Amino acid sequence: GENVEQHPSTLSVQEGDSAVIKCTYSDSASNYFPWYKQELGKRPQLIIDIRSNVGEKKDQRIAVTLNKTAKHFSLHITETQPEDSAVYFCAAIYSGTYKYIFGTGTRLKVLA
Amino acid sequence: SQTIHQWPATLVQPVGSPLSLECTVEGTSNPNLYWYRQAAGRGLQLLFYSVGIGQISSEVPQNLSASRPQDRQFILSSKKLLLSDSGFYLCAWSVPGDGTEAFFGQGTRLTVV
Repeated sequence: GENVEQHPSTLSVQEGDSAVIKCTYSDSASNYFPWYKQELGKRPQLIIDIRSNVGEKKDQRIAVTLNKTAKHFSLHITETQPEDSAVYFCAAIYSGTYKYIFGTGTRLKVLA
Repeated sequence: SQTIHQWPATLVQPVGSPLSLECTVEGTSNPNLYWYRQAAGRGLQLLFYSVGIGQISSEVPQNLSASRPQDRQFILSSKKLLLSDSGFYLCAWSVPGDGTEAFFGQGTRLTVV
């Protein structure tokens, strides 16, 4: 069945360093790959997304890359700040079923 | 603008009692609707999703059921709660079609005692 694997499960970086979170999806028909940020006790919120016809997308300090051949996509956060500390989820949308499958999450800690 | 309402925010229920969580969406028609469960410190597990009234797809065999009696209403139920049903339940919606953002409700923290 459909599956999204996400690594690492936890990530600690020094303030100002970069953070990279990676995901792998199983269904090659997937066509939409969003990333969500969830702060403690709150709902997940979209921070960036990418579609299958694009290889890379950037929004200020956040970027996402997609390798369709390898079925990998990654989130890159540069110049990390303490407020970036949160749980990050990747997701894949399976075309035709509209099934929204999330990865297992990465707890990012930015150390001041 | 579109909004999603989910209630209650917190709930403490004894083992064996019934459950009903409700989610409604405003400002859009025929949304895709989703129920997720998030155990403490864990990921988002898809429980049910619906692409239309009366159309429910179940992802995980469990003690829960879902219904969509109206276009913008999604209900999560259980006849008898188990301790393992404790968790953070999130309702979400997205615009029909491929590749759209999911918007989440505030969540319900359920503790089964």
